[in-house]
Amino acid sequence: QKEVEQNSGPLSVPEGAIASLNCTYSDRGSQSFFWYRQYSGKSPELIMFIYSNGDKEDGRFTAQLNKASQYVSLLIRDSQPSDSATYLCAVGVYDKIIFGKGTRLHILP
Amino acid sequence: KAGVTQTPRYLIKTRGQQVTLSCSPISGHRSVSWYQQTPGQGLQFLFEYFSETQRNKGNFPGRFSGRQFSNSRSEMNVSTLELGDSALYLCASSLARQNTEAFFGQGTRLTVV
Repeated sequence: QKEVEQNSGPLSVPEGAIASLNCTYSDRGSQSFFWYRQYSGKSPELIMFIYSNGDKEDGRFTAQLNKASQYVSLLIRDSQPSDSATYLCAVGVYDKIIFGKGTRLHILP
Repeated sequence: KAGVTQTPRYLIKTRGQQVTLSCSPISGHRSVSWYQQTPGQGLQFLFEYFSETQRNKGNFPGRFSGRQFSNSRSEMNVSTLELGDSALYLCASSLARQNTEAFFGQGTRLTVV
């Protein structure tokens, strides 16, 4: 059974601090990795994707991939109240994509 | 560039009825995937269509069906609605197959009474 695991949270982080979100996956054949942000009552929005080991930075967001350890993480620097949302990790395995259940992030003003 | 468009946005149906939801993907995208999202279950994969063919299917009963047209627009149909079908139905489009970058529509909020 292919799985993507995330801590459901809520993860509370003070405004201005770094928020660190983690995700592990079970299938070593996984090839593509995505982070989605979903505000309450809204649809998921793609914010980062990564295909190779290492770090990928985009503004305040950094995605980190470690295929040997089978985890992918998302760092949000200088966290803002507007970052409060549920973050979904998704993993592409062969021709499918599998979503985790998401981590609720709460930025404390 | 227009995003993914889902219609209708909101729908209220009675148990036993059927419903059809529509999804227009981003221009040039050939893959359309459908998901059901409920508060307790997260995103549940329904099916993926690529080039008018169903390529993947999730663990949902046969009451849930779909199709894709030659212009990549997709429809999802649910027959004999049950109360438990109340959910947010999301469509996502991808340029290639499902495991590439996918972009979601606004969703259709279905309430079954």
